[in-house]
Amino acid sequence: KAGVTQTPRYLIKTRGQQVTLSCSPISGHRSVSWYQQTPGQGLQFLFEYFSETQRNKGNFPGRFSGRQFSNSRSEMNVSTLELGDSALYLCASSSSGATYEQYFGPGTRLTVT
Amino acid sequence: AQRVTQPEKLLSVFKGAPVELKCNYSYSGSPELFWYVQYSRQRLQLLLRHISRESIKGFTADLNKGETSFHLKKPFAQEEDSAMYYCALTNQAGTALIFGKGTTLSVSS
Repeated sequence: KAGVTQTPRYLIKTRGQQVTLSCSPISGHRSVSWYQQTPGQGLQFLFEYFSETQRNKGNFPGRFSGRQFSNSRSEMNVSTLELGDSALYLCASSSSGATYEQYFGPGTRLTVT
Repeated sequence: AQRVTQPEKLLSVFKGAPVELKCNYSYSGSPELFWYVQYSRQRLQLLLRHISRESIKGFTADLNKGETSFHLKKPFAQEEDSAMYYCALTNQAGTALIFGKGTTLSVSS
């Protein structure tokens, strides 16, 4: 099976812009979770989608949003970008959402200037 | 509040030396704990779960509820063990991981 894929792998945006990141889960996986990884804060949970429904959300401002499509692909959107949004954004997929089943993608490196 | 603490940012050891990566947690109830590893230029991957009680790549971790710890140990470090290690626990809903800030393990010869 192909692993979790994320596009684009690298992105440079300027403050105030918005950005959309994409995640394609492993075939058959219905759950997609998103995490933000920064040197200062480490890995922090953003949200989790299962069968197009957001089941769980982390402690991030409303500028961070996501969605999941019927084919389980997921997108996350960040509006009004801030310098502090520069991070590696990881998505992980699993068949049921159980954390021990999560397989991580390579991440999208977002740089905000 | 649920929290994972990894007190060491960097741990440097020599090849063949024992390794212990520390992890302490705060959680109400019975936590499910994990160690994840990220090798250079590779994806984050699960190393082991406390429930499975396995030894993976020579690493073991024992859950100590009294000390709220889940330290990762290996008796003899290898250079290929050099990586970033994250301790994590599952949130109450069981669908999100709460990570510590990670410890970089550097093994040199």
